[in-house]
Amino acid sequence: EVQLVESGGGLVQPGGSLRLSCAVSGFTFDMYSINWVRQAPGRGLEWISYISSRSHTIYYADSVEGRFTVSRDNAKNSLYLHMDSLRHEDTAVYYCARGYRDYIGGAAANDFWGQGTLVTVSS
Amino acid sequence: QSALTQPASVSGSPGQSITISCTGTSADVGSYKFVSWYQQHPGKAPKLVIYEVTQRPSGVSDRFSGSKSGNTASLTISGLQSEDEADYFCCAYSGRSSLLFGGGTKVTVL
Repeated sequence: EVQLVESGGGLVQPGGSLRLSCAVSGFTFDMYSINWVRQAPGRGLEWISYISSRSHTIYYADSVEGRFTVSRDNAKNSLYLHMDSLRHEDTAVYYCARGYRDYIGGAAANDFWGQGTLVTVSS
Repeated sequence: QSALTQPASVSGSPGQSITISCTGTSADVGSYKFVSWYQQHPGKAPKLVIYEVTQRPSGVSDRFSGSKSGNTASLTISGLQSEDEADYFCCAYSGRSSLLFGGGTKVTVL
C-alpha cells in the first residue's frame, strides 16, 4: 500500500524555522518526483515545491523561493521541507504528494497524497 | 503567476451532468497536456480524478471525464451522485517551471 506520512508541523513564531518530513512506503521512492502543496485554512491548494526523483531538479513557487528548501534522502525513503523566515501567510496544512511522472509538467498529476501536517505561524 | 480561474460553485440534481471550467492562458493550459483535476472532501487530502487533460486514474469512476479547448480545461461529472459533493481543483503546468492550481469549485448536489 502506497503511503506518505507528513510530520513536523506545529506552532512557530513569525521569523522562525521549522522542518517538515514526509516518510513514504509502498513504492520505489527513488523513481518518483514529489511535490509539496499547502492549503491555508478555508482556502484553496497552492503548489510550493517540486523535487525530481534523484534531486537533480528542484523548483519553488515565488512565494517561498529563498526561504524554503526541499531535499530528499532516497536511502531513508524520506523527503524534507526546511522552512525559514516563516510568515503569518505560511499558516497552512502542508501535503507531500507523489508526482505521476518524473518531470515538472507530468507532476501536475499527483496520484498519492499524505494526510497533511498543520503549520501555524503566530506570536 | 496567477492562479487558474474556476467558478466558485456549481450545483446539480442527482443524475444530472455538471461541468466545471478551468481557465488559464496560452502559456499554460493552452500550451500543454498537463492539466489535472482533484476532488477534495472536507478534512481530507485531495484525490486525483483526471490527469493529462483526459486520462482517468485506475479506480476512478468513468462518470468523471476531462477535456480542453483553447485556454480552458473542463471537468464533467455525469450521473451526479451525493458522494460527488466536494471541492474540485484544477492544476496545470505553468510553462515556467512551476505548477498552478485553480481557486477551487464547490460542487453541491441538490
